[in-house]
Amino acid sequence: AQSVTQLDSQVPVFEEAPVELRCNYSSSVSVYLFWYVQYPNQGLQLLLKYLSGSTLVESINGFEAEFNKSQTSFHLRKPSVHISDTAEYFCAVSNYNTDKLIFGTGTRLQVFP
Amino acid sequence: DVKVTQSSRYLVKRTGEKVFLECVQDMDHENMFWYRQDPGLGLRLIYFSYDVKMKEKGDIPEGYSVSREKKERFSLILESASTNQTSMYLCASTVGRNNEKLFFGSGTQLSVL
Repeated sequence: AQSVTQLDSQVPVFEEAPVELRCNYSSSVSVYLFWYVQYPNQGLQLLLKYLSGSTLVESINGFEAEFNKSQTSFHLRKPSVHISDTAEYFCAVSNYNTDKLIFGTGTRLQVFP
Repeated sequence: DVKVTQSSRYLVKRTGEKVFLECVQDMDHENMFWYRQDPGLGLRLIYFSYDVKMKEKGDIPEGYSVSREKKERFSLILESASTNQTSMYLCASTVGRNNEKLFFGSGTQLSVL
């Protein structure tokens, strides 16, 4: 069975500081990994995904995540956050054997001025 | 852009009532999903459907049923609402079996009193 662990439920940071949101997964087969973002009062939106190929993937708004198979991790990073990055971030895992997308419990990123 | 529309943003019902949550997508997606989102628990899959009149149980189907009579519409039914079903309900749709990109509605906050 697959599972996703997001250890940090909340991450407070100051504007322009770097941030890392941690995600670890467990799976017995090759995985697809995703980060979704939920802005206040909105549904979830896909931020970035890893399916195959390069282990470093980037989003259009400056976030990046690196697939690390040996550490079973897919941490999300941004070198300098903005107030508008305040949101809840969900890591998710799937694979070619399953019909399901399994989500983590979410990390609330709060950026302060 | 894909649009996933959930009929109600907020809903208040009484214990024992039959509740219908409606979801419509406009991009001819085969796959549709119902999740519930609770603080500290992330998103949990209730039911999903890969085709008209087809349904499969997710991780927490108890107390729920679904209906998919038309491709664009996926309804979640609470046969007899209970207070522990108070939650945010999210509908999503996608094309393809690998769930590479889910499109989410903005959610229905259901309160059962």
